[in-house]
Amino acid sequence: DIQMTQSPSSLSASVGDRVTITCQASQDISNYLNWYQQKPGKAPKLLIYDASNLETGVPSRFSGSGSGTDFTFTISSLQPEDIATYYCQQYDNIFLTFGGGTKVEIK
Amino acid sequence: EVQLVQSGAEVKKPGESLKISCKGSGYSFTSYWIGWVRQMPGKGLEWMGIIYPGDSDTRYSPSFQGQVTISADKSISTAYLQWSSLKASDTAMYYCARLFPQGSFGVWGQGTLVTVSS
Repeated sequence: DIQMTQSPSSLSASVGDRVTITCQASQDISNYLNWYQQKPGKAPKLLIYDASNLETGVPSRFSGSGSGTDFTFTISSLQPEDIATYYCQQYDNIFLTFGGGTKVEIK
Repeated sequence: EVQLVQSGAEVKKPGESLKISCKGSGYSFTSYWIGWVRQMPGKGLEWMGIIYPGDSDTRYSPSFQGQVTISADKSISTAYLQWSSLKASDTAMYYCARLFPQGSFGVWGQGTLVTVSS
C-alpha cells in the first residue's frame, strides 16, 4: 500500500506569514492528492482536491501544487482562524492513505 | 442538503460487540462510496475501509482487515461499522465520509466516540 510522509509534524508561525507543508508519496499517485483541515473537536474539512483544486467556499489563501510523488500545501497569509491540523490524503483505486498531519500554531 | 448523521457515543467493555451507523440524506445513497476513518485520542486520521452501497462492494485497509466489518443497508440509506469483540485499543473517534469520484472525502459525519474500558 502507498505510504504518505507529511512534514513538518508541527509548525509555529506569525499572523500574515506564508506557511508551507509538504507531502511525499511512496510511489507515483499522479494528482490523486487531497488536503484537509481539522479543527479541535471537529470533523475534517476538504480544502484542496486533485492536488491543486480549491474546494468551493474555501478561501483563496489556501493552495496546493505537485504531481507524481511530491506535493505542497500553502497558506499564503496565515490567519488566526487557520489554527488547525492539516492532513494530506492519497487515492489509489479506492484504497486511501492519510499523511501523519501537521499541527499549525500561531507564534 | 447533503448530510451524514452518525449514531451517538458508546461506552463498552472489552470483549463486547458493537455496531455504529452513518445515515445519508440529501443525495442518492447508492451512488457514492462511504468510507470509515479512525482517529485515536490525540492522533491522526486512519482510513479503515470503504463500501459502495449500490452493490455492497467493500474494501478494507490492510491494517483493519479482519478487525472490523463494514456493511450497508441501502433501503434505509445507512452504512455500518461493527466489531465482534472490542479491545481497549479500539477507543477512538470514528468518522464516516462520502467519497467524491476523484477520491476525496467531501462530506463527513459528525463522528462517533467509542470508549472501551473495563
